[in-house]
Amino acid sequence: DGGITQSPKYLFRKEGQNVTLSCEQNLNHDAMYWYRQDPGQGLRLIYYSQIVNDFQKGDIAEGYSVSREKKESFPLTVTSAQKNPTAFYLCASSTTGALGTEAFFGQGTRLTVV
Amino acid sequence: DAKTTQPNSMESNEEEPVHLPCNHSTISGTDYIHWYRQLPSQGPEYVIHGLTSNVNNRMASLAIAEDRKSSTLILHRATLRDAAVYYCILQGGKLIFGQGTELSVKP
Repeated sequence: DGGITQSPKYLFRKEGQNVTLSCEQNLNHDAMYWYRQDPGQGLRLIYYSQIVNDFQKGDIAEGYSVSREKKESFPLTVTSAQKNPTAFYLCASSTTGALGTEAFFGQGTRLTVV
Repeated sequence: DAKTTQPNSMESNEEEPVHLPCNHSTISGTDYIHWYRQLPSQGPEYVIHGLTSNVNNRMASLAIAEDRKSSTLILHRATLRDAAVYYCILQGGKLIFGQGTELSVKP
């Protein structure tokens, strides 16, 4: 089945450690996105990529890093510089970023930093 | 980036139609209007999208104002499973979400 997969579903880390969240899609989509969601809030864009080896900062990129070495993969690293990393993280993909195409979302990773 | 404005919450009765409004006064000519909905602890689910003309699909209808500065998502007969947060989004290169409307459906 085609889809977008995030792993793990739950992740716990100690403060000061970097952590990498996985996002993989087999939909042959060019564009991929990372969002952060805090309790009772909407989604805020962290990074997005419209093509392999290229990505742009979203509204809240500070303390995060990404890579896009393969079309199907867009991992997100939450660094120790991110002051409040505990949140629900969502990854999405779409055929392109500029046209009216449906985006598909993963089921999210809930990161808790203690 | 163009922004959207939605009411924080709305309530509906089961089996009745629901009209969810969205304002996007700064929309550009190439921005598509998308609607997604999200259940707790899940990723958003696509509902419908359009550019200028009204759109219908099996889930809902999208009515777009002639000047494109506002749109309305119409659920023709609300069910309990339609209770969710509904997001109106403009797509013009990236997907920017607003706060969404939390829809509750009463039996």
